[in-house]
Amino acid sequence: DTGVSQDPRHKITKRGQNVTFRCDPISEHNRLYWYRQTLGQGPEFLTYFQNEAQLEKSRLLSDRFSAERPKGSFSTLEIQRTEQGDSAMYLCASSLKVGLADNEQFFGPGTRLTVL
Amino acid sequence: GQSLEQPSEVTAVEGAIVQINCTYQTSGFYGLSWYQQHDGGAPTFLSYNALDGLEETGRFSSFLSRSDSYGYLLLQELQMKDSASYFCAVTGLMDSSYKLIFGSGTRLLVRP
Repeated sequence: DTGVSQDPRHKITKRGQNVTFRCDPISEHNRLYWYRQTLGQGPEFLTYFQNEAQLEKSRLLSDRFSAERPKGSFSTLEIQRTEQGDSAMYLCASSLKVGLADNEQFFGPGTRLTVL
Repeated sequence: GQSLEQPSEVTAVEGAIVQINCTYQTSGFYGLSWYQQHDGGAPTFLSYNALDGLEETGRFSSFLSRSDSYGYLLLQELQMKDSASYFCAVTGLMDSSYKLIFGSGTRLLVRP
């Protein structure tokens, strides 16, 4: 399978625990994005990388969230001290940026987080 | 600020044609994309318009009018498998860089 993969697909945790999600993008893609999606809403931008560099993080994102892409390949998203409001689908997407902006992003199946 | 408006739900009959509209307000508009998402699935890219006019890809077409900040997705010969959520997304300038900004989605229900 040469698409974007995410692990785990589902995560149930207790409030206050830390969780980490992994994303493996399409291998030749230089950009990797993390989004959060809640029911009835579109994906909401969290952060993105170009190769190994984290270029931007949403202003709405709490300091409890951190992401890495150490070798410009896979990425991890960690949420510390989870809260019930963190319950959502966390989507990863990758793309091959050409020019000023990229519009076609390839999404993974997502990790559904439930915080009890 | 950034905002996108699209209907929350549309119902149509199998074999019919349906149009899903999207109006947007954004800084530094670069283009309008459409994504399809089935329940429990990942968003899948459908089309992209950077210039005014109609882009056709099989049964799906997408239109953009930059002067009206408006676009639509046209689905023809509807099939049951087209039941899904459809998101318009602008590539716009937000927090100093261009990124995809999604609308809340239109849930399409195709009836037999």
